Amino acid sequence: GESVGLHLPTLSVQEGDNSIINCAYSNSASDYFIWYKQESGKGPQFIIDIRSNMDKRQGQRVTVLLNKTVKHLSLQIAATQPGDSAVYFCAENRITGGGNKLTFGTGTQLKVEL
Amino acid sequence: DTGVSQDPRHKITKRGQNVTFRCDPISEHNRLYWYRQTLGQGPEFLTYFQNEAQLEKSRLLSDRFSAERPKGSFSTLEIQRTEQGDSAMYLCASSLEGNNEKLFFGSGTQLSVL
Repeated sequence: GESVGLHLPTLSVQEGDNSIINCAYSNSASDYFIWYKQESGKGPQFIIDIRSNMDKRQGQRVTVLLNKTVKHLSLQIAATQPGDSAVYFCAENRITGGGNKLTFGTGTQLKVEL
Repeated sequence: DTGVSQDPRHKITKRGQNVTFRCDPISEHNRLYWYRQTLGQGPEFLTYFQNEAQLEKSRLLSDRFSAERPKGSFSTLEIQRTEQGDSAMYLCASSLEGNNEKLFFGSGTQLSVL
């Protein structure tokens, strides 16, 4: 069936190192992918998005890479800071003609060690 | 604060009782979404509105659930005859319809059914 999944449930990194969070998706018809950050007790916060006609997109300290051949999405965080500790979700937009009804993966817990 | 706001933040109820949650979206946003999130999982789509019209409902939304957006601004989600399986975080998101649509989430209402 169609799904969005993450490879690792928990990722621990040292402060200052780069973090890479991976995500696999199965619906080749999806054309829009988003990364959200969710801190404890809060709703998901938009980080960065990418459309299927792009391979890479950069934001402030974050980069999203899309490999459509293997249906893989990654989020790279440069110089990881303690404030980056959170659960990170990738989500996809299914093309159904109406609404941005995102399908979320399970999430990866990022822990930044001092 | 001009973000999405939800009320209450926490709700504890006994099985069989009715509960109602409120969401106030970002004022210029014409779309409003309800998601449900259980512990350790990503949010799951429940329903969405475009202005006052409810355009889609997930199969997750049983007949005990009803959502309204009477004036195209705030929305309410009611759960009748609550069950322990309804315990979850209920998230609201809003967006502006368009090619660059992005969902902005509120902090959610945490429901515990005893």
